Amino acid sequence: DTGVSQDPRHKITKRGQNVTFRCDPISEHNRLYWYRQTLGQGPEFLTYFQNEAQLEKSRLLSDRFSAERPKGSFSTLEIQRTEQGDSAMYLCASSRTGGMTEAFFGQGTRLTVV
Amino acid sequence: AQSVSQHNHHVILSEAASLELGCNYSYGGTVNLFWYVQYPGQHLQLLLKYFSGDPLVKGIKGFEAEFIKSKFSFNLRKPSVQWSDTAEYFCAVIPRGNTPLVFGKGTRLSVIA
Repeated sequence: DTGVSQDPRHKITKRGQNVTFRCDPISEHNRLYWYRQTLGQGPEFLTYFQNEAQLEKSRLLSDRFSAERPKGSFSTLEIQRTEQGDSAMYLCASSRTGGMTEAFFGQGTRLTVV
Repeated sequence: AQSVSQHNHHVILSEAASLELGCNYSYGGTVNLFWYVQYPGQHLQLLLKYFSGDPLVKGIKGFEAEFIKSKFSFNLRKPSVQWSDTAEYFCAVIPRGNTPLVFGKGTRLSVIA
């Protein structure tokens, strides 16, 4: 399968713990995006990379959140000191550079903070 | 605040009924427009996209959408829905240049036999 893959698919963690999610984009895509989706809402933008450079971060991305894409391939999203409000589906997407291009989404990682 | 608005939260239709889902955006200038669909348990998939040219765009599975610049709208249509169209539909906009997608809140479509 050559789509966007995310790992794990589900994560249950206790409040205060750190969690890390991984995203592997489509190999020829140099843009990678992270979104968060909660029930009844559309995906909300968190951050994106072009190759290894993090180009934009949303105000939604608090200091407890950090994302990396060290070699311009896979990316990780870490949440430190998780809170119940962090419970959501975390979506990764990738695309080629350029405005006239579509983003391809992974299946998401569902985080539940208990 | 600039945004993407989808008018209907939940739409229930019988099979063979016609569908129209509204989408309005509040960004000026040149925008790129998309409709994504999320079937139960699956990832977001692109239905159709508009970048330029003919404002009536056709997508997969018989869906189409019309871009009306003066109304800042990009409504999704299908003449005859099927039970398999049951899904959540998201309108999304790239507001300018190479910026990331901005999504609406989504419309859940339930098609009943």
